[in-house]
Amino acid sequence: EVQLVQSGAEVKKPGESLRISCQGSGYTFTNYWISWVRQMPGKGLEWMGRIDPRDSHTIYSPSVEGHITISADKSLSTAYVQWSSLEASDTALYYCARLDGSCRHSNCYAFDNWGPGTLVTVSS
Amino acid sequence: DIQMTQSPSTLSASVGDRVTITCRASQSIGSWLAWYQQKPGKAPKLLIYKASSLQSGVPSRFSGSGSGTEFTLTISSLQPDDFATYYCQQYNSYSYIFGQGTKLEIK
Repeated sequence: EVQLVQSGAEVKKPGESLRISCQGSGYTFTNYWISWVRQMPGKGLEWMGRIDPRDSHTIYSPSVEGHITISADKSLSTAYVQWSSLEASDTALYYCARLDGSCRHSNCYAFDNWGPGTLVTVSS
Repeated sequence: DIQMTQSPSTLSASVGDRVTITCRASQSIGSWLAWYQQKPGKAPKLLIYKASSLQSGVPSRFSGSGSGTEFTLTISSLQPDDFATYYCQQYNSYSYIFGQGTKLEIK
């Protein structure tokens, strides 16, 4: 069974750093890209960026580029998103999702499996 | 940048109804469109990909159509489990833009 297991909820202060994780299991981790999606309280879904775990090639949404860093450790089958300086506006639920970036499957580029989300609260 | 606009934002319907949600792209995206269902407190779930292909395990009452700039998600006969928020998404290898969502409520 494909699973994306995300790290637990975090409460941080503005200016603090943070890294959250997403570990894939039940499939070959390097065969799929990982995307990160943000959902602010009561709002819709917003794509943040994605990484190819084979070579760590990463692209970001213009709305978050420079504010977050997405990385992956293929030996741990884990992807990460990190902030060096959190802002109150980073308060959100963060989902990871996998996508077939090589079009081995007909649903390539669609987000076919999602993690349960990590709630990040940034408050002074 | 491509923008995705869903309508309506909220839809009230009854069990057994046939409902349609529309998604419009600001420029042609071919058939690179997906639909997701999200229930409160849960992660989104892929329903439809490439505009009209049903994801494995998704009930056949869900269907998608369209290409270019206009797309629809249809639920042929609403079931109690279908009341949720639905999102369209334009996607390719480097861009993944969601619509603002349509909340499907019980009338």
